[in-house]
Amino acid sequence: GAGVSQSPSNKVTEKGKDVELRCDPISGHTALYWYRQRLGQGLEFLIYFQGNSAPDKSGLPSDRFSAERTGESVSTLTIQRTQQEDSAVYLCASSFFAQGGYQETQYFGPGTRLLVL
Amino acid sequence: GIQVEQSPPDLILQEGANSTLRCNFSDSVNNLQWFHQNPWGQLINLFYIPSGTKQNGRLSATTVATERYSLLYISSSQTTDSGVYFCAVRGIRGSTLGRLYFGRGTQLTVWP
Repeated sequence: GAGVSQSPSNKVTEKGKDVELRCDPISGHTALYWYRQRLGQGLEFLIYFQGNSAPDKSGLPSDRFSAERTGESVSTLTIQRTQQEDSAVYLCASSFFAQGGYQETQYFGPGTRLLVL
Repeated sequence: GIQVEQSPPDLILQEGANSTLRCNFSDSVNNLQWFHQNPWGQLINLFYIPSGTKQNGRLSATTVATERYSLLYISSSQTTDSGVYFCAVRGIRGSTLGRLYFGRGTQLTVWP
């Protein structure tokens, strides 16, 4: 089936505006993850969902960041009052998730490139 | 959290050469993945290898979980192998479940 899809591919916004980033996971994947990658850096974890609950949101950098997920489907990451330091690639991944997680592989989408002017 | 260290940070090779990339991690894991990030930023799964050895064409990987390291071997490198190689792990403890912890990557450049 199709892979993880994300929209928009690119987003340019002005400082102070709100943005919404969307992720459509692989059909049937129960777990969904958001990561951020700044230029030239590794990936930093933001939040993950098991179903529509978020057991770990400890990576969200501030209360300007929030995320929600509808059932075991699409997720939206919202950044309010964007700042220039929010500029990065936002990557979404999905996987099956078994307790103990011995057989899950995370598959990544192409990312949304966010530029805050 | 789990610390993931990758070495070397940069690697420059002539086409046809072999290379070994290393990933050390600081705690027990039940998921280890190697990724290749291409020039367009897409993360491509190479291996899911929490333990043991796997091979896929010119690439192979070995994870020694008890000693907390993994190695990625690239043989007969090609220019299309260029990009950043990331190692990522998932822990077994409650506070480290769910997320993948990423290393900073190895930037590989293969010259023709």
